[in-house]
Amino acid sequence: QVQLQESGPGLVRPSETLSLTCTVSGGSISTYYWSWIRRPPGKGLEWIGYISYSGSTNFNPSLKSRVTISIDTSKNQFSLRLSSVTAADTAVYYCARLIVVAGTYFFPNWGQGTLVTVSS
Amino acid sequence: SYELTQPPSVSVSPGQTASITCSGDKLGDKDACWYQQKPGQSPVLVIYQHNKRPSGIPERFSGSKSGNTATLTISGTQAMDEADYYCQAWDSSTVVFGGGTKLTVL
Repeated sequence: QVQLQESGPGLVRPSETLSLTCTVSGGSISTYYWSWIRRPPGKGLEWIGYISYSGSTNFNPSLKSRVTISIDTSKNQFSLRLSSVTAADTAVYYCARLIVVAGTYFFPNWGQGTLVTVSS
Repeated sequence: SYELTQPPSVSVSPGQTASITCSGDKLGDKDACWYQQKPGQSPVLVIYQHNKRPSGIPERFSGSKSGNTATLTISGTQAMDEADYYCQAWDSSTVVFGGGTKLTVL
């Protein structure tokens, strides 16, 4: 059973860059797709972007200009960087495994989530 | 951008059937899935490809589609089913979530 665990700072200052890492265990990261999703306080889920095992990426158009997702297959990890953050980026951030099959996209495995607060 | 619309809230009595809808342009041509999220927990996939249940999900959860509306149905709703529910689909290789529905079991 694939397990995912987010790690990174819980507090980021406005205008700085948010950086999170997701460590995958119980399976190789060199298959499937891997994604970041967030949930701001009092709001719903928002997809941030995904990366494939080969490194191809796709992002939410509303965040695309500020997002970078990378993958390190040697460490079984993938990472998120979100630049120029504001208070609106305060959220619980989740990493998840993305299944893409026959034109269907879904997330069968999620990390526990990590709260990132943007504040000075 | 593509949007999925869900009712903000649905209420149901224990033992009754709860239905949560999700509508979107040309959703009938896509596969939708559903997640359950309880407070303080990560989302859990309960239905994928419109009507398939992952291993471990109770049979009382089912999914269907009619036209451009997908529906999550919970038969014999239990108190433990009280949660936020999200539909999700994709469009132009991007993932889209519905706004979420808070299910209250009264």
